[in-house]
Amino acid sequence: DAGVIQSPRHEVTEMGQEVTLRCKPISGHDYLFWYRQTMMRGLELLIYFNNNVPIDDSGMPEDRFSAKMPNASFSTLKIQPSEPRDSAVYFCASSWQVSGNTIYFGEGSWLTVV
Amino acid sequence: QKEVEQNSGPLSVPEGAIASLNCTYSDRVSQSFFWYRQYSGKSPELIMSIYSNGDKEDGRFTAQLNKASQYVSLLIRDSQPSDSATYLCALDSSYKLIFGSGTRLLVRP
Repeated sequence: DAGVIQSPRHEVTEMGQEVTLRCKPISGHDYLFWYRQTMMRGLELLIYFNNNVPIDDSGMPEDRFSAKMPNASFSTLKIQPSEPRDSAVYFCASSWQVSGNTIYFGEGSWLTVV
Repeated sequence: QKEVEQNSGPLSVPEGAIASLNCTYSDRVSQSFFWYRQYSGKSPELIMSIYSNGDKEDGRFTAQLNKASQYVSLLIRDSQPSDSATYLCALDSSYKLIFGSGTRLLVRP
């Protein structure tokens, strides 16, 4: 299996621009998670989906962030407009159940907003 | 108070020594606990899971859980320079995986 695939791997954008991060989960996994990692706050869960339906978005920082999962093999995390404080590594992860021993992370998308 | 607390480190140990990493948590309901390892610039990878009080051993790694005191620890025996990484403690809380900020471990050759 190819694992969880994220794109882009690195992005540098200017403040105010729209950013779209993409994720392809492992085939057969029903759960998809978006995490954000920063030095200050560590690894935070932003939102997770089960069978393409958002289950818990309580970690989404504000209305500038939105996430969608139009089908079982694709999800996006969008930031509009982006701000410098959004600079972080965004990880997508997938799992066949909600348990820490079955979650597989993608390589991450490194976002820098200048 | 954060749900999962870890000392950020770095924890520096000589090669061959035992590295001891600790984690405390606030959610008494949590039943499942995990240790992830994250190399610089890479994604987290699971190295240990533990669900019951006591010790669980896997090779050079031993996870320890004490639910009454709400702490989890990870011991790495015969530490190697390749063990140098950030170790993240995590727990299942309300069907979500919550992470600590991680402890950076440096193993000196």
